[in-house]
Amino acid sequence: GAGVSQSPRYKVTKRGQDVALRCDPISGHVSLYWYRQALGQGPEFLTYFNYEAQQDKSGLPNDRFSAERPEGSISTLTIQRTEQRDSAMYRCASSPGLSGAYYGYTFGSGTRLTVV
Amino acid sequence: KNEVEQSPQNLTAQEGEFITINCSYSVGISALHWLQQHPGGGIVSLFMLSSGKKKHGRLIATINIQEKHSSLHITASHPRDSAVYICAVSASNDMRFGAGTRLTVKP
Repeated sequence: GAGVSQSPRYKVTKRGQDVALRCDPISGHVSLYWYRQALGQGPEFLTYFNYEAQQDKSGLPNDRFSAERPEGSISTLTIQRTEQRDSAMYRCASSPGLSGAYYGYTFGSGTRLTVV
Repeated sequence: KNEVEQSPQNLTAQEGEFITINCSYSVGISALHWLQQHPGGGIVSLFMLSSGKKKHGRLIATINIQEKHSSLHITASHPRDSAVYICAVSASNDMRFGAGTRLTVKP
């Protein structure tokens, strides 16, 4: 696609439910990143993939959070047993090369998750 | 202490003023990024730089690697420049973000 697409745009869920957030990167982009941004704060790194391989998941807050990118394109971030503190904007970015540091990033518009 | 510090946190300016936003970082980096986040939430990459200076229209970004400091300048500011400006540094495949500077330009 022309840009990085995320869905849903907004998600309201009840505490304890599982949610799945989708990111569709720019076609051909090799690396894909997930970030979380709480209200009024800068983004926080969660995890990233090169192709289908998850390279670093050190930013995932706990084991309720997981991500996959099975075919090296679309990625899904799953949060199990959601808690109110999970409420945030979840952003995805992709990069054409293996290192976003050198090739730059394109950000999606994000999914705003609200856990009630 | 955050690895990426921005100042000021909030900035209000009159249309036409010259604006400077500062960013200091404490880690080794491959590149520094300036991002613009619009009120609707979308993030746009403005600059990626690893040395020197870059200019795009009314925006200028500079970086001093030795001092681990970067500045974003906006000349002849306009109300449409109102946004949150985020400094981010990347090393290999990780990216660390500053908390952002909220800029409001009044007509």
